Amino acid sequence: SAVISQKPSRDICQRGTSLTIQCQVDSQVTMMFWYRQQPGQSLTLIATANQGSEATYESGFVIDKFPISRPNLTFSTLTVSNMSPEDSSIYLCSVDVDSSNEQFFGPGTRLTVL
Amino acid sequence: GDSVTQMEGPVTLSEEAFLTINCTYTATGYPSLFWYVQYPGEGLQLLLKATKADDKGSNKGFEATYRKETTSFHLEKGSVQVSDSAVYFCALTHSGYALNFGKGTSLLVTP
Repeated sequence: SAVISQKPSRDICQRGTSLTIQCQVDSQVTMMFWYRQQPGQSLTLIATANQGSEATYESGFVIDKFPISRPNLTFSTLTVSNMSPEDSSIYLCSVDVDSSNEQFFGPGTRLTVL
Repeated sequence: GDSVTQMEGPVTLSEEAFLTINCTYTATGYPSLFWYVQYPGEGLQLLLKATKADDKGSNKGFEATYRKETTSFHLEKGSVQVSDSAVYFCALTHSGYALNFGKGTSLLVTP
């Protein structure tokens, strides 16, 4: 298993600003994923982040808007840039431990953009 | 591409009623199947999983069987409790890839 923490747990931001969300895992993992959950909706994959390579973004998500860093095997950040109210969501990171097919999720970051 | 379809909610049941939440999938090959649960105000938790055809996942009284022939992974519980009120997500993945989620089914159990 894996224990995942995220910072901040929640934030309220002004439009046009940026927020960086941190994801820390208690063990080394190859695959990390970032998801977005808009209010009352399911989870949508933003990107896959592997250590030592550029993140792979899903259709509808671009690096300029959601830059991701993955400096080592236990840590990643997602930045939400130039925010608008439509970015108000819960952002979650998850990890696949040794490609076990079982993914563990962080507690999420609840973002509100005014 | 892969997709997951689950029954629309909300589902409202009385305590001790039988629960079924339907989930069907479209996928190439042999994905692993999951049910995740999200309690009000909390994060996503893995409820149960099955990695191959005919496997039955079970946890906390919930069960689901991986049916390859009907491409289904229906969630069942014989007697629900108020504390089971949550949103339930069916999902699939191929090894090393991200999860593909259904839209979620909200369950409300009343005393």
